[in-house]
Formats: sequence, structure tokens, C-alpha cells
Amino acid sequence: DAKTTQPPSMDCAEGRAANLPCNHSTISGNEYVYWYRQIHSQGPQYIIHGLKNNETNEMASLIITEDRKSSTLILPHATLRDTAVYYCIVRDFGGSNYKLTFGKGTLLTVNP
Amino acid sequence: GAVVSQHPSWVICKSGTSVKIECRSLDFQATTMFWYRQFPKQSLMLMATSNEGSKATYEQGVEKDKFLINHASLTLSTLTVTSAHPEDSSFYICSAYWTGSDTQYFGPGTRLTVL
Repeated sequence: DAKTTQPPSMDCAEGRAANLPCNHSTISGNEYVYWYRQIHSQGPQYIIHGLKNNETNEMASLIITEDRKSSTLILPHATLRDTAVYYCIVRDFGGSNYKLTFGKGTLLTVNP
Repeated sequence: GAVVSQHPSWVICKSGTSVKIECRSLDFQATTMFWYRQFPKQSLMLMATSNEGSKATYEQGVEKDKFLINHASLTLSTLTVTSAHPEDSSFYICSAYWTGSDTQYFGPGTRLTVL
């Protein structure tokens, strides 16, 4: 079972920031939060991951709450090409178990 | 960096034949690769974990004799669908784990259609 809860769909206007929420209230201290996205008929694309500090890269920013029970992925200036299903996944970083369990994700539609 | 390729990108085969799908990490070595299957309008389902030089670990409900996985090198894993049937038609996606970033990177997927 997926350990995260995401809204099934969201809309965003082109050029505006897209803020995608994720709830992971049962996250444990040795689990990362990963974000991937999947554009229709393609393999998932890695976006960003974090443990407890906010992270930023060329694609997005990841804001994790202090209690780590939720996070928000921010696409600062959404474009039409950002329309995709976004997956929030928690993964244990201990040992050698690198498996990812995908939930249903959030379908983000960026509108002109 | 961290590019994963799959070949072929799509394949059509007759029922009863076998199909091999290749997954390659192009710019990093991957001791662990994964194979997923995705049916239309559904999420990715993990089929198996492939470790270089050892037998694959299959998820519950996945037939290991039907889905043969070989991870012969640090950059190549193959999935062979044996005696394919129409119900095996699906989108097959591989990923490769890179220790340098502690992250899985995914291939573009292979669309399999069994007639």
C-alpha cells in the first residue's frame, strides 16, 4: 500500500506556480520523500527528493513540514509541458531496499 | 546524466511467442534494476527487483517462469516475456538505481501488444 495521499487532480494556469501537496503522516525517521512525474506514455521522470530540509533544483522546490508529515512540490512557473501525473513516494533509505511503491498520484493539468 | 534506455520502444507479437526487452543504464553503473508494468489508466506496479549477478526477486503474484529477468552486467538487465498471451499486453518500464544519488532513474518504457 502506498504510504502517501495526494489529490487526484489539480489545475494550474500557465506561467503560475503549481503547488502539489502530499500527505505522508506515517513517515518514519529513515524515509525520504521522492517526487516523480509521468508524462503520458512515457517512463517516470525523477524530479527531486528530500529528508527533512527544503530542497531546490532546476526543476522544482520541495517543502517538507517540520513534523515531516506532509510536503509540497512547487513548480515555480508551470508550462504546458508540465502537464503530467505527479507521484509522491516515501522510501526507506536504510539497508538495501530501494523499492518504490507508486500510488495513484496527482494529475496536474496546466492550462493556457 | 543518469540516463536509462529501453529497447524496443514498442513490439507486437503473436500469442505463444517470447519477447525480450532490454534495459540499459547509459552513463552509470547499476547494481540494482527494477521492472514495472503499467496497465492503461493505472499506476506502475513493481514486478521484480534485479541484482547484478544474482537471481531476481519477484513480487507476489508475478510468475517468475513467465517473466524471465537477467542482470548480466552493471549496465544491462533484460526481461523476457515467455509464451506471451494477450493479457500480457501492457507498458513495461525498467528503472536503474544509482548509488551516487540514491535515486532510481526510469527508462522510456516498452509497449507490448500480444495478438
